Amino acid sequence: DIQMIQSPSSMFASLGDRVSLSCRASQGIRGNLDWYQQKPGGTIKLLIYSTSNLNSGVPSRFSGSGSGSDYSLTISSLESEDFADYYCLQRNAYPRTFGGGTKLEIK
Amino acid sequence: QVQLQQPGAELVRPGASVKLSCKASGYTFTSYWMNWVKQRPEQGLEWIGRIDPYDSETHYNQKFKDKAILTVDKSSSTAYMQLSSLTSEDSAVYYCARDDAAFDYWGQGTTLTVSS
Repeated sequence: DIQMIQSPSSMFASLGDRVSLSCRASQGIRGNLDWYQQKPGGTIKLLIYSTSNLNSGVPSRFSGSGSGSDYSLTISSLESEDFADYYCLQRNAYPRTFGGGTKLEIK
Repeated sequence: QVQLQQPGAELVRPGASVKLSCKASGYTFTSYWMNWVKQRPEQGLEWIGRIDPYDSETHYNQKFKDKAILTVDKSSSTAYMQLSSLTSEDSAVYYCARDDAAFDYWGQGTTLTVSS
């Protein structure tokens, strides 16, 4: 199975900060990586698909980049609704595997 | 609009089986695979498997091969996941998620509690 390692596992940031979350795969995944946001209460939403494509309705302050086995999600200027858990998912091979998540908390 | 409706909670006894449902609306059910994902309390997300509602082809995570069975009812646009021989390790939130390459729409999740 492809292991997905997210870092950091948690972080504190302030409103307006620029933050980058990392996701590293145990092998190359050819850009088949998505980012998801989970809010308290459990609602899960697709943010970025296939490395860098913004899902419909997602604010432009979110962006994704990467290649090979290293990927990142950047939020350019944090807003209050962005404090949540973030997960990466690789779709390059079965089984699909998620990273362990990054918890983004307000400082 | 696309919606995936899941019951909020299920309580079952250890050793029993349960069939969780995910009713789809707002799109052509047979045109998109459906995934199932497990999340234990304070834990991350784990992919269980997916099913093609068109012909019921399935892909399973080997870890869940003896635990979960995925089925669909095309007449009601509903996907099902049966979990068997339940233990406390199966207590979790279970999500269904539509597969358009990425998992573009998610249900609200069913909280399964296994307890006597």
